[in-house]
Amino acid sequence: AIWMTQSPSLLSASTGDRVTISCRMSQGISSYLAWYQQKPGKAPELLIYAASTLQSGVPSRFSGSGSGTDFTLTISCLQSEDFATYYCQQYYSFPYTFGQGTKLEIK
Amino acid sequence: EVQLVESGGVVVQPGGSLRLSCAASGFTFDDYAMHWVRQAPGKGLEWVSLISWDGGSTYYADSVKGRFTISRDNSKNSLYLQMNSLRAEDTALYYCARDPASGYDSGYMDVWGKGTTVTVSS
Repeated sequence: AIWMTQSPSLLSASTGDRVTISCRMSQGISSYLAWYQQKPGKAPELLIYAASTLQSGVPSRFSGSGSGTDFTLTISCLQSEDFATYYCQQYYSFPYTFGQGTKLEIK
Repeated sequence: EVQLVESGGVVVQPGGSLRLSCAASGFTFDDYAMHWVRQAPGKGLEWVSLISWDGGSTYYADSVKGRFTISRDNSKNSLYLQMNSLRAEDTALYYCARDPASGYDSGYMDVWGKGTTVTVSS
């Protein structure tokens, strides 16, 4: 199985900040990586797939980058509705796996 | 409107069995592979299983392999998860989710249901 290290686990930031979340793989996965946002009591929502492709309807302040083993999710200008938990997911090989999650909280 | 609605979650004793269902609507169900993903209370997401659009291929997480079986009935627009030999660590909110690729599986999930809760406890 591919192991994923997502960091940080907790991130404190303010509205208007630029933040980055990292996801590192135990082996290369090309660009087979997705990012999801989950708000309390809600199902996850797809933000980005293929490491950098924005899902339809997702604001352009979200962006993804990376390939191989190192990936980043960037939110360029935090809005109040962005405070949530974020997960990366690899779909390069079975079993598919998710990162441990990053909780983005208001500073 | 594209929609997935899970059902079947209950409290079950360790060693017991349960079948979850997921009813799909608003899209051509038999064009898409489908996933089950679970989330233990207060924990992160765990991918559980994938079934191809035609049911011909299935894949499982190591933690459920040999105990869970994914299946689908395209005539009923429904996805299922048969869960046997349940353990306390299977306690979770179970989501069904659509794989966005038509005719094959891409591996990620673009539409999610609200989930159904399974509690394994004596």
